[in-house]
Amino acid sequence: KAGVTQTPRYLIKTRGQQVTLSCSPISGHRSVSWYQQTPGQGLQFLFEYFSETQRNKGNFPGRFSGRQFSNSRSEMNVSTLELGDSALYLCASSSAGTGGLNTEAFFGQGTRLTVV
Amino acid sequence: AQKVTQAQTEISVVEKEDVTLDCVYETRDTTYYLFWYKQPPSGELVFLIRRNSFDEQNEISGRYSWNFQKSTSSFNFTITASQVVDSAVYFCALRGTGGGNKLTFGTGTQLKVEL
Repeated sequence: KAGVTQTPRYLIKTRGQQVTLSCSPISGHRSVSWYQQTPGQGLQFLFEYFSETQRNKGNFPGRFSGRQFSNSRSEMNVSTLELGDSALYLCASSSAGTGGLNTEAFFGQGTRLTVV
Repeated sequence: AQKVTQAQTEISVVEKEDVTLDCVYETRDTTYYLFWYKQPPSGELVFLIRRNSFDEQNEISGRYSWNFQKSTSSFNFTITASQVVDSAVYFCALRGTGGGNKLTFGTGTQLKVEL
């Protein structure tokens, strides 16, 4: 069974640009969550999508957005990039739905974004 | 609000030593889930264990063991006879109810195992 796939693995962007990151969850998983990891703030929850609907959102500005497609693949977009957006962005997939949360999340290898 | 505290920022041990990583959590939920993840230099978070709030039974898996104590809100992780391959950052995480699959992570403990 294939794991969680994130593309691209590395990105370098300029301030003011926008970027789109992609995540393909484990087959059959309908929940996809995104996290930002930085040395200063650690791992912070961005948002979660389940069955194409945003189910939960962290405390990030509106420049951070996401979506999920009918095949459960998810994308996150960051507009008007700032230097502080440089981070490792991790995607997690889970089989947990509305019926219970007694499952674990599996993570991809992440996309390392550098904003210059 | 959920909170996870990993007070140990970095631990260095010599191979074959036992090492315990501490995790203390805070939550008002009566049902919650605790996790440990390992992050090697490649960046991927590798799932190690999940424990439910209603199951305080400790668990051993090979060289790994976990001690869950609700009375002290702790979920500690012990590696017995550590190996160089255990070197990584270890994260403790908490998932409550009502927040979907949102995980609240601790700040992580960098474990260095040297020969």
